[in-house]
Amino acid sequence: GAVVSQHPSRVICKSGTSVKIECRSLDFQATTMFWYRQFPKKSLMLMATSNEGSKATYEQGVEKDKFLINHASLTLSTLTVTSAHPEDSSFYICSAKRPADRYNSPLHFGNGTRLTVT
Amino acid sequence: GQSLEQPSEVTAVEGAIVQINCTYQTSGFYGLSWYQQHDGGAPTFLSYNGLDGLEETGRFSSFLSRSDSYGYLLLQELQMKDSASYFCAVFWGTGFQKLVFGTGTRLLVSP
Repeated sequence: GAVVSQHPSRVICKSGTSVKIECRSLDFQATTMFWYRQFPKKSLMLMATSNEGSKATYEQGVEKDKFLINHASLTLSTLTVTSAHPEDSSFYICSAKRPADRYNSPLHFGNGTRLTVT
Repeated sequence: GQSLEQPSEVTAVEGAIVQINCTYQTSGFYGLSWYQQHDGGAPTFLSYNGLDGLEETGRFSSFLSRSDSYGYLLLQELQMKDSASYFCAVFWGTGFQKLVFGTGTRLLVSP
């Protein structure tokens, strides 16, 4: 069964509003979670690394004030797209690592959130 | 930095064998992983190569040559359900925690 739950699966919002996406690890404590963004027919681009109890680490070119990440507990990370614009429309996917995972262990992904900004 | 290059699209017929290549450039290396993603879905793990050679898992096999910075995914006895995008990936960054994906290959299997 799914070990990472992401909600909502789809969201439509108006330009200028903010949207929050939740990512939960269901049966393990995830000290680290990752947020990816994917445009149609493109690869997954890592946006940021979410660390429980500390600030997220953003990849180069990702706006920190635009994409707010909070990892307040060992099982929950949230991504808030602030003041959304149509160009923010994309597929956002979270993933989590179990503490004992090694390099040959799979990364566990949520089912993604399709964001459409009108 | 790092880059992982894949062919953008591959087409094949049911029952055939197809090979998806991945060439990478990365500072530090802890193995090559492969993921499958159906449209609108989550990536799912297929295989991992930490050392040179071939790893076989059912119909899927993966190969790695670290000296050539090259790997491939081999899919045998293709089925329609294998139509999906396939990504190679490497761990990167401080502590090699971050999984970075290749450009991706879209596989289209026809009857």
